[in-house]
Amino acid sequence: DADVTQTPRNRITKTGKRIMLECSQTKGHDRMYWYRQDPGLGLRLIYYSFDVKDINKGEISDGYSVSRQAQAKFSLSLESAIPNQTALYFCATSGGTSGNTIYFGEGSWLTVV
Amino acid sequence: EDQVTQSPEALRLQEGESSSLNCSYTVSGLRGLFWYRQDPGKGPEFLFTLYSAGEEKEKERLKATLTKKESFLHITAPKPEDSATYLCAVQGLGGYQKVTFGTGTKLQVIP
Repeated sequence: DADVTQTPRNRITKTGKRIMLECSQTKGHDRMYWYRQDPGLGLRLIYYSFDVKDINKGEISDGYSVSRQAQAKFSLSLESAIPNQTALYFCATSGGTSGNTIYFGEGSWLTVV
Repeated sequence: EDQVTQSPEALRLQEGESSSLNCSYTVSGLRGLFWYRQDPGKGPEFLFTLYSAGEEKEKERLKATLTKKESFLHITAPKPEDSATYLCAVQGLGGYQKVTFGTGTKLQVIP
């Protein structure tokens, strides 16, 4: 099993719908992140959380919200999806003995039509 | 603002043809430079972390080196299974220890 698990792996949704992407990790890391990847733009940080009570906006947080339900769980919500939120989304973790190295999940493909 | 520029954007090699990928960076104090491998539709897979100029790390056919302005990922005698996009990222000392990613070099190794 993957250390960082994302669900769903693929989702097609309609404009205006609310959608949640979930992430869970078994690495025991305290830090969790949500990134978005678009062709030619690289990975961009949406939100990050250094512990359960600490949540911070990243570079591109508009239109997104997050919830850190537990040390191992971090979910990303799109309150009202729009087509330009179509992208590949990654959950990631860091911390513990791994230091500052970020480890990524397998990704969630989201298409907004 | 921290910046990472990777070159070339794409590289096509014959199997066994060694080459290097470049990562140029500007950062307000380097905490670490990271290399990742990413296969299509998959999450980036961690390869190396480099912390200071002069440091080198190796893994199989890959060797990463670091200077004060750039890092190189040397690929020796590549095989088709080395085909992937290679991402470089830097983490600075400021703010929330932000990690800035480059857009990657897409490597194709032809048998």
